[in-house]
Amino acid sequence: AQKVTQAQTEISVVEKEDVTLDCVYETRDTTYYLFWYKQPPSGELVFLIRRNSFDEQNEISGRYSWNFQKSTSSFNFTITASQVVDSAVYFCALSEAESNFGNEKLTFGTGTRLTIIP
Amino acid sequence: DAGVTQSPTHLIKTRGQHVTLRCSPISGHKSVSWYQQVLGQGPQFIFQYYEKEERGRGNFPDRFSARQFPNYSSELNVNALLLGDSALYLCASGQGRHNSPLHFGNGTRLTVT
Repeated sequence: AQKVTQAQTEISVVEKEDVTLDCVYETRDTTYYLFWYKQPPSGELVFLIRRNSFDEQNEISGRYSWNFQKSTSSFNFTITASQVVDSAVYFCALSEAESNFGNEKLTFGTGTRLTIIP
Repeated sequence: DAGVTQSPTHLIKTRGQHVTLRCSPISGHKSVSWYQQVLGQGPQFIFQYYEKEERGRGNFPDRFSARQFPNYSSELNVNALLLGDSALYLCASGQGRHNSPLHFGNGTRLTVT
C-alpha cells in the first residue's frame, strides 16, 4: 500500500528565512509520481510540481526548490527567502503510474501548515 | 479559461439526509475525481470518472455514489448522512494522462449536524 508521511505538522519562520518541508513516501511500485500541492485558506489545492520516479534531478523554480532522493524515499520542498504569501498548508502526494487511474488517484500526506511571520 | 467550479460552496445538512455536490471540470478535461478532506487531514480519494465511466473508487461506503454527464460535469451523492461526513469535498479535473497534473476546485464545505 502507498503511504506519504509529512512529519512536520506545523512550522513557523520569520519572513525571509529559508524553510524546508519534509516528505517521506512508501510504495512497492518501481514507477510512480510525486507531487506537491499548496492549500491556501480559500481551500483550493494549487499544483506546484510533479516528479516521476525516474527523474532524480533536483528542480528549482524561482524561490522554490525540490530535492528528490530515491535512496531515502524522500521528496523535500524548500522555500528560499520566505514571504508572508507563502503561508498555507502544503501537501505531498504520490500516485502509481501504472494503475488504471492515470494520475487521478493521489495518496496525500497529512500536510504541513507553514506560517510566515512578518 | 475557467478553472474547476464546484457548487454549492457551503452546505449544512442534518443526519440522515441526502446531499448532492456538483462539479464542472476545466474545458477539455474528460476526467473528474472526488476527494474528501476532513479537518486537519490530507484529501482522501473517493471516485474517479473518465469519459462517463467509473475508473476507480476509494475506501468509502456505498452511501457515496457519483456520476459523470455527457458534458463531463459530475455529481457526488451521499445518502444517510453521518456526522463523520462533515468535511471539505474537493473535485479535481484532469486529462487522464500520466503527464498531466490534477487541477482542484475550491471545494464544498459540508457540515452535518
